[in-house]
Amino acid sequence: KAGVTQTPRYLIKTRGQQVTLSCSPISGHRSVSWYQQTPGQGLQFLFEYFSETQRNKGNFPGRFSGRQFSNSRSEMNVSTLELGDSALYLCASSLENWVRSYEQYFGPGTRLTVT
Amino acid sequence: KNQVEQSPQSLIILEGKNCTLQCNYTVSPFSNLRWYKQDTGRGPVSLTIMTFSENTKSNGRYTATLDADTKQSSLHITASQLSDSASYICVVRGGSQGNLIFGKGTKLSVKP
Repeated sequence: KAGVTQTPRYLIKTRGQQVTLSCSPISGHRSVSWYQQTPGQGLQFLFEYFSETQRNKGNFPGRFSGRQFSNSRSEMNVSTLELGDSALYLCASSLENWVRSYEQYFGPGTRLTVT
Repeated sequence: KNQVEQSPQSLIILEGKNCTLQCNYTVSPFSNLRWYKQDTGRGPVSLTIMTFSENTKSNGRYTATLDADTKQSSLHITASQLSDSASYICVVRGGSQGNLIFGKGTKLSVKP
């Protein structure tokens, strides 16, 4: 079974631009979560989608948004990029949503650099 | 405030030696605790997941313990190998919204 895939793997953007990252979960998984990882803050939860609905959200500004499609693929969008948005963005999928404590499987991440 | 604290921040050991990583949390209510291994440039990979009623869980040379009373967990690595060099992240699910709260990780370096 193929693992979680994320595209692109690397991205360089300029301040003020917007960016869209994509995540394809493991086949059959309905829950997709997004995380931001920086050296200073570690991993931080952005949001979780289950069956096309946002079920949970972390403490990030409204510039960070996401959506999930009917095939469970998910996209994350960051508008008006700031230098501090430079990070590794990780996507994780699981069979069910967080309530059932199912295992999460992470993708390799997208390394975003904002200049 | 819901927090997860890990210690030490970094650790260097010789190949073949054992080591123990610590995780203290203040998350309430508690749902479960996970340990992840993250190699440089890769996404985290789950080692163990423990619920309130589980005290010990093993995965090969990795053994996690959980003391729900003191809100402490440890990850013990036996007979370390060079491939164990990675960051180890403790994650607690809980709080009023059931969010995942991440520790900042322990960076382990295993030297030959």
